[in-house]
Amino acid sequence: AQTVTQSQPEMSVQEAETVTLSCTYDTSESDYYLFWYKQPPSRQMILVIRQEAYKQQNATENRFSVNFQKAAKSFSLKISDSQLGDAAMYFCAYRSRGSGNTGKLIFGQGTTLQVKP
Amino acid sequence: DAGVTQSPTHLIKTRGQQVTLRCSPKSGHDTVSWYQQALGQGPQFIFQYYEEEERQRGNFPDRFSGHQFPNYSSELNVNALLLGDSALYLCASSIRDPGDYGYTFGSGTRLTVV
Repeated sequence: AQTVTQSQPEMSVQEAETVTLSCTYDTSESDYYLFWYKQPPSRQMILVIRQEAYKQQNATENRFSVNFQKAAKSFSLKISDSQLGDAAMYFCAYRSRGSGNTGKLIFGQGTTLQVKP
Repeated sequence: DAGVTQSPTHLIKTRGQQVTLRCSPKSGHDTVSWYQQALGQGPQFIFQYYEEEERQRGNFPDRFSGHQFPNYSSELNVNALLLGDSALYLCASSIRDPGDYGYTFGSGTRLTVV
C-alpha cells in the first residue's frame, strides 16, 4: 500500500521570503501522480501544483515549484516570495496512474504554514 | 460555473443516529469521491461513485454507504453514529479518468457527533 508522510506539522515564513515544505512517499509503482493541495480556513482543497512521475522536469506554477526526487521518493514544495494569502494547511497527495485505477488520492498529514508580516 | 456544492455546511448529531450528507459535482463531472478528514489530519478516502455504482472503497465500515443519482449528485450516509465519526466530510468530483488533473473539492460538511 502507498503511504505519504509530511514530517513538518508546522512551518513559519516571513512575508516575501522562501519556504520549503517536505513530503516523502512510499510506493512500489513506477507510474503515478503527485500533488500539493492548499486548504485555507474556508476548508476547500485547492490544487497548487501537480507532477507526473515519468516527467523528470520539476513542475512550476508561478511562485510555486517542486523538487521531485523519484529515486528518493521525495516531493518537496517551494514557495517563493511568500504572501499573507499563502497561509494555510498544505497537503501532499499521491495517486496511482495504472490501468483500472480509480484515482483515489492518498494524503499526507498536512503542514500548517504561517506567514508573518 | 458552479464548483462542487455540499450540504449542509455544519451538522450536529447524537450518537446512534443516522446522517445523510449531499454533494453536487462540478458541471461536466460524472465521478464523485468522498473523504473523511479528522481534525488536524489529512483526508482519508471513503469511496467513489461512477455511473451510480460504487467504484472503489476505502477502509471504512459498512455503516458508511453512499448513492449516486442519474444527475451525478451523490449522498453519503452514515448509520449508528459514533463519536469518532466527528470530522469534516469532503466531496470531490472529476471526470472518470482525470489524468494528471486533481479533483475539484467542495468546502465540506462539518459533522459533530455528541
